[in-house]
Amino acid sequence: GAGVSQSPSNKVTEKGKDVELRCDPISGHTALYWYRQSLGQGLEFLIYFQGNSAPDKSGLPSDRFSAERTGGSVSTLTIQRTQQEDSAVYLCASSLFGSYEQYFGPGTRLTVT
Amino acid sequence: AQSVTQLDSQVPVFEEAPVELRCNYSSSVSVYLFWYVQYPNQGLQLLLKYLSGSTLVKGINGFEAEFNKSQTSFHLRKPSVHISDTAEYFCAVSGMDSSYKLIFGSGTRLLVRP
Repeated sequence: GAGVSQSPSNKVTEKGKDVELRCDPISGHTALYWYRQSLGQGLEFLIYFQGNSAPDKSGLPSDRFSAERTGGSVSTLTIQRTQQEDSAVYLCASSLFGSYEQYFGPGTRLTVT
Repeated sequence: AQSVTQLDSQVPVFEEAPVELRCNYSSSVSVYLFWYVQYPNQGLQLLLKYLSGSTLVKGINGFEAEFNKSQTSFHLRKPSVHISDTAEYFCAVSGMDSSYKLIFGSGTRLLVRP
């Protein structure tokens, strides 16, 4: 079956612009996660959605970062007023309810110039 | 809170030789443990996981890992590596406190030489 998909695969933006990154989880997976992979910080948890519960936003690095999940499926990660330190690969993962096994998408490589 | 240490940033090994990638963790609660592999320009793929039961866990591609609670370790091993095993390997933990988020180590690059 289809895995986790993310779009765009690559995004180049100018410093100060807003960007939106999209994640389509595996059908039937109620949990969705965003992680960031950068040279300096490695792999970091950003945010976690589970069904209709309030999301766990404890990993968001600043208030410029936000995410939403519409209809319990697709998620969008928004970064406002991008900075060069936001350059990274943003990975999305999903899992079944109650499962600790996460399936990852291919990621979106964000470059801020 | 949890943390994961992968002391080896790169491990070079010859093809068909055995390999061990080390992982140590620290946590104030019991944890679940995972190894993920990342091939160039791809996402993460789950190699194996320890949730409960036998401390020796077998995964895909001939990899296995052993959970050692007293040493807080979860080292990954393969008896005979192939060129195609060249990739980045990440150890990760998740606390048994229903937080579900993964805390990753810094990764170990396995470089298999002919």
